[in-house]
Amino acid sequence: KAGVTQTPRYLIKTRGQQVTLSCSPISGHRSVSWYQQTPGQGLQFLFEYFSETQRNKGNFPGRFSGRQFSNSRSEMNVSTLELGDSALYLCASSLGRGSGELFFGEGSRLTVL
Amino acid sequence: AQKVTQAQTEISVVEKEDVTLDCVYETRDTTYYLFWYKQPPSGELVFLIRRNSFDEQNEISGRYSWNFQKSTSSFNFTITASQVVDSAVYFCALSEVKNQAGTALIFGKGTTLSVSS
Repeated sequence: KAGVTQTPRYLIKTRGQQVTLSCSPISGHRSVSWYQQTPGQGLQFLFEYFSETQRNKGNFPGRFSGRQFSNSRSEMNVSTLELGDSALYLCASSLGRGSGELFFGEGSRLTVL
Repeated sequence: AQKVTQAQTEISVVEKEDVTLDCVYETRDTTYYLFWYKQPPSGELVFLIRRNSFDEQNEISGRYSWNFQKSTSSFNFTITASQVVDSAVYFCALSEVKNQAGTALIFGKGTTLSVSS
């Protein structure tokens, strides 16, 4: 079956702009989680959506937001970009039943200049 | 507070050597899950194993084996007879189960394994 698809794979923005990243989960998966990966902080949990509702949220500022659609596809948005937002943003999907196996996409690599 | 520590930042071995990746975790919960993921250069995190806090039985899958010891809060990963294709970054992660909801993982910093031929 098709895996988790993230778009775009690479993008370059400048400080102050905003960006929207998209994630299509595995068919049948209702949970989508987002993670930020940087060399300094490593992998950090951003938020999780389940059935269009945010179920968990990590410790990130309000500039980071997300949403999930009725077909389980998810988007995350970062407003007023800062240099420190440069990172690999990974999306993961799962069935959503408790702490199950997460299936990750290849990520969207964001560079902020 | 929850925390995962992977003390080994980088490990280099020669093919066919055995290698163990260490993972130590901290949590106050009695119910939790532990994971190992592999991240090849493509960036995608590949699931290797999940273990719940009530199951301390060690597991072997081909050349991979895992040793879970609650007494020392460790969940170590051993690759036997390493191969060049094993070269990747390996992450240990912890998830606490709250009301059977959520899959927020806390990751360690990762161990970069380089296997040379």
